[in-house]
Amino acid sequence: AQSVTQLGSHVSVSEGALVLLRCNYSSSVPPYLFWYVQYPNQGLQLLLKYTSAATLVKGINGFEAEFKKSETSFHLTKPSAHMSDAAEYFCAVSRNNYKLTFGKGTLLTVNP
Amino acid sequence: DGGITQSPKYLFRKEGQNVTLSCEQNLNHDAMYWYRQDPGQGLRLIYYSQIVNDFQKGDIAEGYSVSREKKESFPLTVTSAQKNPTAFYLCASSITNQPQHFGDGTRLSIL
Repeated sequence: AQSVTQLGSHVSVSEGALVLLRCNYSSSVPPYLFWYVQYPNQGLQLLLKYTSAATLVKGINGFEAEFKKSETSFHLTKPSAHMSDAAEYFCAVSRNNYKLTFGKGTLLTVNP
Repeated sequence: DGGITQSPKYLFRKEGQNVTLSCEQNLNHDAMYWYRQDPGQGLRLIYYSQIVNDFQKGDIAEGYSVSREKKESFPLTVTSAQKNPTAFYLCASSITNQPQHFGDGTRLSIL
């Protein structure tokens, strides 16, 4: 079975500060990993995905994530937060790039 | 523009009533999915379909039913057997080995 743990249901940062959203996974086989973003009352939008080609994955809107097998982590970062980054972020894992198991989400608040 | 259309955006159900949520995609994707989202719970898979006329139960299929008669359409029926149907429902689609694309969701409430 595979699972995802997102540490921190709510993260608050100041505009211009570093964003770090944590994700740890468990999977019996090398996983596919994803980060999605959700704005209020909308669907999910893919930020980035890891599919074993490179451990550092760059996504949209300046976000990136690093796959660390030894730590079973796939944390999401952005060097400088913008007000428009305020949203809920979901980490997801899949064994076959197909069926997804989602974490419970982290709500990011950006303060002016 | 290609995408996934979910309708209606808001839906209200009376006790004991079945309701059907629509999901249509024009992305020519083979696979389609239904998720339920509750606050603080993330997304949980209800049903998925990899091909027309075939579908499989996800993690929380009880009280729900689906059909896949056309590639473009994957409607979800919330039956009266679902005792706690109030939630945000998301439909998604994908092609093999590619990430899922999501619709904008339907919010279901009980009157």
